[in-house]
Amino acid sequence: QVQLVESGGGLVKPGGSLRLSCAASGFTFSDYYMSWIRQAPGKGLEWVSYISSSSSYTNYADSVKGRFTISRDNAKNSLNLQMNSLRVEDTAVYYCARLIVANEYFDYWGQGTLVTVSS
Amino acid sequence: QSALTQPASVSGSPGQSITISCTGTSSDVGGYNYVSWYQQHPGKAPKLMIYDVSNRPSGVSNRFSGSKSGNTASLTISELQAEDEADYYCSSYTSSRTWVFGGGTKLTVL
Repeated sequence: QVQLVESGGGLVKPGGSLRLSCAASGFTFSDYYMSWIRQAPGKGLEWVSYISSSSSYTNYADSVKGRFTISRDNAKNSLNLQMNSLRVEDTAVYYCARLIVANEYFDYWGQGTLVTVSS
Repeated sequence: QSALTQPASVSGSPGQSITISCTGTSSDVGGYNYVSWYQQHPGKAPKLMIYDVSNRPSGVSNRFSGSKSGNTASLTISELQAEDEADYYCSSYTSSRTWVFGGGTKLTVL
């Protein structure tokens, strides 16, 4: 069965950096686009970024553009999110999700990892 | 990109039907048939309930249905059950090759 397991969350000071990872299993990772979606405490979902199956295409929400970088390692079935210049408003649970690109929806989600940006 | 507009809360009694609306613009909801709906129970990850406006993934109850008219999509849950109590989010693909979510609707089963 499809499994997505995020890791790397934690407490970081404003201006700091953090790298999130998502370990995928139960499907052919290299065949699928992937995405990061976040949820601030008590708030709604916010799409963050996506990456194509071969890493050729990426895109970012305006709120993170220039600060976050999405990447993947198909040999290791791993999705990553490098987060730099973190702000208090980046505090959220970060989910990785499989993206069905032909129909533009997210069919499987991980359990999330909490990132807290605070001094 | 502004979030799609959903009612903050809706409620219904067991056995009744409810509808949650999701309003966007011609650049997202109105421009594509790529609206999806997600159910989220407290402390859990979102779960896909509807994709491409009205399609149900395998395993999702046929009590869940979706539709769209113009810039507004809707999720209808019929024969409400206690287990349906959760937060519901709509999402749409956009003309900027991004995705936008609604603010979420808390469904209370009375």
